[in-house]
Amino acid sequence: EVRLVESGGDLIQPGGSLRLSCAASGFTVSSNYMSWVRQAPGKGLEWVAVINSRGTTYYADSVKGRFTISRDNSKNTLYLQMNRLRAEDTAVYYCARWYDFWGMDVWGKGTTVTVSS
Amino acid sequence: DIVMTQSPLSLPVTPGEPASISCRSSQSLLHSNGYNYLEWYLQKPGQSPQVLIYLGSHRASGVPDRFTASGSGTDFTLEISRVEAEDVGIYYCMQALQTPPGFTFGQGTKLEIK
Repeated sequence: EVRLVESGGDLIQPGGSLRLSCAASGFTVSSNYMSWVRQAPGKGLEWVAVINSRGTTYYADSVKGRFTISRDNSKNTLYLQMNRLRAEDTAVYYCARWYDFWGMDVWGKGTTVTVSS
Repeated sequence: DIVMTQSPLSLPVTPGEPASISCRSSQSLLHSNGYNYLEWYLQKPGQSPQVLIYLGSHRASGVPDRFTASGSGTDFTLEISRVEAEDVGIYYCMQALQTPPGFTFGQGTKLEIK
């Protein structure tokens, strides 16, 4: 079964750091485009970052320089390192697989990050 | 960067009636390969988003044929021929043409049953 499971969400103070994980099963993370998408409370979906099969990474302007997307091929896991967190980073963070002939066809259930003092 | 604009933002529909959502992009989403890199997603209450449509008009696996998508370039439409109760949720369009800088979602259209 193709599946994504996020973890690592927590309550964190502004300025702090957090690393989210997204464990994949049923397919190989390194062979796909993998993205993080977030949703602030009561708001719409916001794309955050993507890593392609070549390892090239791209970020939304709102997180560039603070967040880093990466993967561990041996663990078949995607990560999002989040530094210098702000209140506006509070959201449910989803990981998703993307392919141009399928779209974002596999999503996790999300992990919640709350940035507050 | 590409900006995606959806309308309407709220869509009350009577069961059995049709519904239509518009999505407009600030730049053409037509790739040189002939495909429009426009996708539609539905986020049902309390759930993760799910893909409905990819490459402008192709239904994802398991999506009922009452969902039809059309359009090219900058103007796209998602139509539901006969709305059912299970169709409630927020519909998002998303451009997947420009990476970099990356994907862009529309604001979302909330479909509710009258």
